[in-house]
Amino acid sequence: QVQLVQSGAEVMKPGASVKVSCKTSNYTFTDYGMNWVRQAPGQGLEWVGWIGTYTGKPNYAQKFQDRVTVTTDTSTRTVYMELRRLRSDDTAVYYCARGPHSGTLDFWGQGTLVTVSS
Amino acid sequence: SYVLTQPPSVSVAPGETAKITCGGDKIGSKTVHWYQQHPGQAPLLVIYYDGDRPSGIPERFSGSNSGNTATLTISGVEAEDEADYHCQVWDYSSDNVEFGGGTKLTVL
Repeated sequence: QVQLVQSGAEVMKPGASVKVSCKTSNYTFTDYGMNWVRQAPGQGLEWVGWIGTYTGKPNYAQKFQDRVTVTTDTSTRTVYMELRRLRSDDTAVYYCARGPHSGTLDFWGQGTLVTVSS
Repeated sequence: SYVLTQPPSVSVAPGETAKITCGGDKIGSKTVHWYQQHPGQAPLLVIYYDGDRPSGIPERFSGSNSGNTATLTISGVEAEDEADYHCQVWDYSSDNVEFGGGTKLTVL
């Protein structure tokens, strides 16, 4: 069974950076891209960005273009999302979700709660 | 960006049919995917490419897409279907994934 296991919850100060990991197993890593989606408390889903795990090429939502970096480590089958210059409204659960950037998000990680608070 | 509009809530009695809509400009020309999300859990894909069901998803879940509205239909609703439902498309003009605001399905 496909598995996406994310790193644990983080509490960060405003202005800091956070890096969330998503370790994958039980499928060919480079056959599928990886999306990052976030969900603020009580809110809907918001797409953050995507990376092609074969090419390493990212694609970011314009809202996050200057603050987010998504990378991959093929040797450990892990995808990372770094968000910089954190603000209180970045408080959310961040999910990794397997899939092409133009299609279905077919498997999701368990989510990582990032809390930004002074 | 491409805007998807969902009703905030839908209520239905057990055994009845629930229809959750997702509105967007000419959405019928796009491919729509639907996700179910129970409280405190990650989303789960229930319908992809407008009307296909992943393995393990009950046959009571179906989808359609035409004109300016995509619809997720749950026939013979069960208590376990109470959850939030999110529609999703890929907007080729912005090369971005877009989600609707989500609909809370309540089983009375």
